[in-house]
Amino acid sequence: QLTQSPSSLSASVGDRVTITCRASQGISSYLAWYRQIPGRAPEVLIYSTSTLQSGVPSRFAGSGSGTDFTLTISNLQPEDSATYYCQQFINFSLTFGGGTKVEIK
Amino acid sequence: QVQLVESGGGVIQPGRSLRLSCAASGFNFGTYGMHWVRQAPGKGLEWVALIWYDGSSEYYADSVKGRFTISRDNSKNMLFLQMDSLTAEDTALYYCGRRQRSHVDYWGQGTLVTVSS
Repeated sequence: QLTQSPSSLSASVGDRVTITCRASQGISSYLAWYRQIPGRAPEVLIYSTSTLQSGVPSRFAGSGSGTDFTLTISNLQPEDSATYYCQQFINFSLTFGGGTKVEIK
Repeated sequence: QVQLVESGGGVIQPGRSLRLSCAASGFNFGTYGMHWVRQAPGKGLEWVALIWYDGSSEYYADSVKGRFTISRDNSKNMLFLQMDSLTAEDTALYYCGRRQRSHVDYWGQGTLVTVSS
């Protein structure tokens, strides 16, 4: 099970925001982050904890290990208004966190 | 470019069956595992099923095990989800996605399934 916090946040353009994903037990480094803009399919931002998906802006960064993982968005942009999900891969199944809704002030 | 296009959704009565399809293009379909992931209205993402690149193995979420069947036709670059004994809890937007090791690197736009009498 993956628990994300906060469930929502509001920040201004240019801010730096951090979203946390906590696993109920230690997991491997197979932790990914997705952004889902309203009305659109999710898109992967980060995989294997900290690897930036090709084409994703470098303002997105992932880190963590064991049970605690973090997505940091630097220099928040208007298009970052979205819901963010973490995801783990264990026993050939995917588990998603509950999501963090990011609102731009 | 990679493209995934789902179809087959619609309004269906509880207890009935429905078959979703996902047409893949722009990549060597037969070398990738494929997922189905769903999203109930206003809710988060829920993984449904995974099928191996050659169809040799399948994995299911507990919530659909025994009712849903994932399959593929590599000769036609098609992925399927047979959904039986549908309930209102299966109402969701269903996405197909390409497996990239431990995550989904490409997603379709989804097909909406509404289970209602």
